[in-house]
Amino acid sequence: AQTVTQSQPEMSVQEAETVTLSCTYDTSENNYYLFWYKQPPSRQMILVIRQEAYKQQNATENRFSVNFQKAAKSFSLKISDSQLGDTAMYFCAFMKRAGNMLTFGGGTRLMVKP
Amino acid sequence: NAGVTQTPKFQVLKTGQSMTLQCAQDMNHNSMYWYRQDPGMGLRLIYYSASEGTTDKGEVPNGYNVSRLNKREFSLRLESAAPSQTSVYFCASSDLPFLGGDYGYTFGSGTRLTVV
Repeated sequence: AQTVTQSQPEMSVQEAETVTLSCTYDTSENNYYLFWYKQPPSRQMILVIRQEAYKQQNATENRFSVNFQKAAKSFSLKISDSQLGDTAMYFCAFMKRAGNMLTFGGGTRLMVKP
Repeated sequence: NAGVTQTPKFQVLKTGQSMTLQCAQDMNHNSMYWYRQDPGMGLRLIYYSASEGTTDKGEVPNGYNVSRLNKREFSLRLESAAPSQTSVYFCASSDLPFLGGDYGYTFGSGTRLTVV
């Protein structure tokens, strides 16, 4: 079974600054996918970024980027130029390569302060 | 708009009552899921259905039953609600499992259930 751990229950950052959210996972699989989801107060689950484990290059989506360290089983999310709209819960999630079920971490609540 | 629709959005039940959460998707996805979200625990899979006519248990199935009525609809039933089932419930759909291509989930907007 897979486990996903987010060790930072809450974080805050000043608007326009950079923040990094941590995620570690445990699996015996070699091929898998990792995701970061954003959940604003509206409760909607929004996919922020995804990473294929077989790719060494870190994924980037505009102001969002990841630091994927496969050997260390670490998958952190960096948010650059933080905006007030980034205030939300962020969930790290894991999926096996040929699977269809997501395993989520406990979440990090991010507050962006003006 | 295409997506996943859950009803109701809010519900309060008394202990021992039963209810069914409804979910429908219009994305022609094969797989559908029910997750529950609790503080500090993220989302945990209750049941899923990889295709019409099949259902399988997830991580926390006790106290729940599901029905995959057709390709579009996947319902979650609480036969005898307990306070421990107070949670936010999410339905989702996907075109997984896959061997490539888009593999994102589409989530519904959630149902906040309180059992008193």
